[in-house]
Amino acid sequence: DAGVTQSPTHLIKTRGQQVTLRCSPKSGHDTVSWYQQALGQGPQFIFQYYEEEERQRGNFPDRFSGHQFPNYSSELNVNALLLGDSALYLCASSLDSGWYGYTFGSGTRLTVV
Amino acid sequence: DAKTTQPTSMDCAEGRAANLPCNHSTISGNEYVYWYRQIHSQGPQYIIHGLKNNETNEMASLIITEDRKSSTLILPHATLRDTAVYYCIVEETSGSRLTFGEGTQLTVNP
Repeated sequence: DAGVTQSPTHLIKTRGQQVTLRCSPKSGHDTVSWYQQALGQGPQFIFQYYEEEERQRGNFPDRFSGHQFPNYSSELNVNALLLGDSALYLCASSLDSGWYGYTFGSGTRLTVV
Repeated sequence: DAKTTQPTSMDCAEGRAANLPCNHSTISGNEYVYWYRQIHSQGPQYIIHGLKNNETNEMASLIITEDRKSSTLILPHATLRDTAVYYCIVEETSGSRLTFGEGTQLTVNP
């Protein structure tokens, strides 16, 4: 049973560029959440998608946007990259009904230079 | 901000029980206690959660005090593979966003 799959695993971008990160949820899960984890800190909630709509959002600027597709997979887009956006980006999936905990992917390590 | 307080680090001998404490003195009646762990270079892994009663699964036991202001995660027989950062999280409902703090770095020593 495949868990959460994220791509790419590593990425280097230049300040000002745009980036798209991808996530395939665990089989049977319909909800996807995104988190940002800076080095040495706990993950910070960015937003959550359910039924192709953003359901919750954390304290992140509009440069961070997302999308969920009919097959429940999701994308995280970040525009106008800043050096401070360098972090591990984690995707977590869950089942909206009958919650048994989030399943996290291994993340995408984004470095902005 | 995180609603929990955890020690920054703890050590445990392999084969012994690891008891990780967590204070959540401002917890409200409808808030659950969740535990996740993060092994280096991996995403967090769900361990266990509870509301009032003590809980046990194949990974760990969760002991919640009667006043619900603190809890303890117990790994009964720690192994080297249990070395990780352990996060105690308090949230209102299942499916809510998770607010992570700094967590406890548990190191299991041979």
